[in-house]
Amino acid sequence: EAGVAQSPRYKIIEKRQSVAFWCNPISGHATLYWYQQILGQGPKLLIQFQNNGVVDDSQLPKDRFSAERLKGVDSTLKIQPAKLEDSAVYLCASSSPTGEVRTYEQYFGPGTRLTVT
Amino acid sequence: RKEVEQDPGPFNVPEGATVAFNCTYSNSASQSFFWYRQDCRKEPKLLMSVYSSGNEDGRFTAQLNRASQYISLLIRDSKLSDSATYLCVVNPGDYKLSFGAGTTVTVRA
Repeated sequence: EAGVAQSPRYKIIEKRQSVAFWCNPISGHATLYWYQQILGQGPKLLIQFQNNGVVDDSQLPKDRFSAERLKGVDSTLKIQPAKLEDSAVYLCASSSPTGEVRTYEQYFGPGTRLTVT
Repeated sequence: RKEVEQDPGPFNVPEGATVAFNCTYSNSASQSFFWYRQDCRKEPKLLMSVYSSGNEDGRFTAQLNRASQYISLLIRDSKLSDSATYLCVVNPGDYKLSFGAGTTVTVRA
């Protein structure tokens, strides 16, 4: 079974530039998550999709971050304009929860390491 | 107060040793609990779920204390390959997961 795919793996941009990340979840997984992981911290949820609808975007800095999952499959996360404090690893995860505890497992992609200079 | 708090470590132990560490969570309504493992510069992966009665998976034992709102992980007979960051993870509901900052374990030869 193919895992969660993300691209690019690395990105270096200057502050005030824009950047976009792409994620393709595991086939059939209805729930998709974007996390931000700053060095030394745990992943922080930015946005959660159920199919193509947003379930939770309460921690997404909406003045500069946007995300979409138009067809309920792959997703794009954008930052515009970037700030120095956006330097982090952006992780995409997917899951297919059915209510049983074991299905809460989230499968993570390799992440995109963003450096803002 | 953070939703999930962990001792960051690092725990530096020799091969064959036993190492244990805890995490605490703030939301008493949390429903499910997990330990994820994250290797350096890699993505997190599920290590094990934590059940109310406590559970083992090989050399790993997880315990949950709902009254005190803490979760523990014990690793017996440590291997070099156990070196990683262990993330305490809590499900507060709605299929979301809240991650702690992680506890770093280094097993030395």
